[in-house]
Amino acid sequence: QTVVTQEPSLTVSPGGTVTLTCASSTGAVTSDYYPNWFQQKPGQAPRALIYSTRNKHPWTPARFSGSLLGGKAALTLSAVQPEDEADYYCLLYSDGFWVFGGGTKVTVL
Amino acid sequence: EVQLVQSGAEVKKPGDSLKISCWASGYTFTDYWIGWVRQMPGKGLEWMGIIHPGDSDRRYSPSFQGRVTFSADKSINTAYLQWSSLEASDTGMYYCASPSGSWGQGTLVTVSS
Repeated sequence: QTVVTQEPSLTVSPGGTVTLTCASSTGAVTSDYYPNWFQQKPGQAPRALIYSTRNKHPWTPARFSGSLLGGKAALTLSAVQPEDEADYYCLLYSDGFWVFGGGTKVTVL
Repeated sequence: EVQLVQSGAEVKKPGDSLKISCWASGYTFTDYWIGWVRQMPGKGLEWMGIIHPGDSDRRYSPSFQGRVTFSADKSINTAYLQWSSLEASDTGMYYCASPSGSWGQGTLVTVSS
């Protein structure tokens, strides 16, 4: 089964920019993997942020953006706010199945 | 507004059976897949699989094939996740999710002797 890899943790300063990536063991991630991104804060259900690489849900803050970068899916957080501290998960479609990455813990410090 | 509301927390013993539910509102239930996701204590999200309530087509992740069963009742807009024989390793939070981006609030399942 496909393995999806994310950075375990990243630290960013308030107002800064951070990019999270999502790689597939099967090769370069393309739009055919329909990358999704989710945010989860402690004790809460996940919240969907991005679908199909770069599309935002109505509730997704403008400072979040999705893209493809160097063969990976990417989530960029710009002008980071303290409330962006959370775990972030990517989800890829591969070989008929959806697979989550292990998650990235983003610390705002 | 799309809403998914899940059934309450469960405490069960190994070997017990269990069926948890996910009630959908705000859209045509039979038009879209519903997915199920597991989160074990302190761990990440795991995709269990999906069901299409319109025709009950099911796709199970290989990790969960044979361990759980998805079903849906179109008459009451409800999807179900069930186990026939729980194990302690089934302890975790279970979420339903829709392609619209909406998630249920989660159902905590605790399996302990």
